[in-house]
Amino acid sequence: ETGVTQSPTHLIKTRGQQVTLRCSSQSGHNTVSWYQQALGQGPQFIFQYYREEENGRGNFPPRFSGLQFPNYSSELNVNALELDDSALYLCASSLGAGEADTQYFGPGTRLTVL
Amino acid sequence: AQSVTQLGSHVSVSEGALVLLRCNYSSSVPPYLFWYVQYPNQGLQLLLKYTSAATLVKGINGFEAEFKKSETSFHLTKPSAHMSDAAEYFCAVSDTGGFKTIFGAGTRLFVKA
Repeated sequence: ETGVTQSPTHLIKTRGQQVTLRCSSQSGHNTVSWYQQALGQGPQFIFQYYREEENGRGNFPPRFSGLQFPNYSSELNVNALELDDSALYLCASSLGAGEADTQYFGPGTRLTVL
Repeated sequence: AQSVTQLGSHVSVSEGALVLLRCNYSSSVPPYLFWYVQYPNQGLQLLLKYTSAATLVKGINGFEAEFKKSETSFHLTKPSAHMSDAAEYFCAVSDTGGFKTIFGAGTRLFVKA
């Protein structure tokens, strides 16, 4: 069974650019959540996708957007990058979108904005 | 709104000593609570979760946590620390509706030989 994978591992962008991060969910999982983890902090919830529909969103501006595909893989897009967007971006997949569903995390994408 | 507070950003113990990482939560409804571990340059791994079945929850790698409603706490313990336990630990609560998990700021555990 393949776990959650993310690509790329590292990424360097300049302010104002756009970036796309990718996540492949664990086999059989229909829910993907994205988190932003700034240095020295806990992960902050960005949004969740359940069966290709956005199922909830945290306190992030609209320039953070996402997609979930029929195979349940997912993308996180960030437009007009700002310096504060520098962080580790984690995705997590789960069997469902319930409160008790265990989330399985990928290794993350380290984004640096210069 | 739910929230999580982890007391102590850094905890240092000797190998073989008791590990105690503190977590307090705020929730207006019965919560689902989680402890995750993060090793350097890796994602988060679930240690254990509380889903109201039993107040004492046993997890992987010898860790356990006790849910105390009266104290709104969910502290993580391990009787004997091992060098491989050195990592960042996060306590988390699941929001009602299930789509949002709120994490604490984390506690970095150091284990001295």
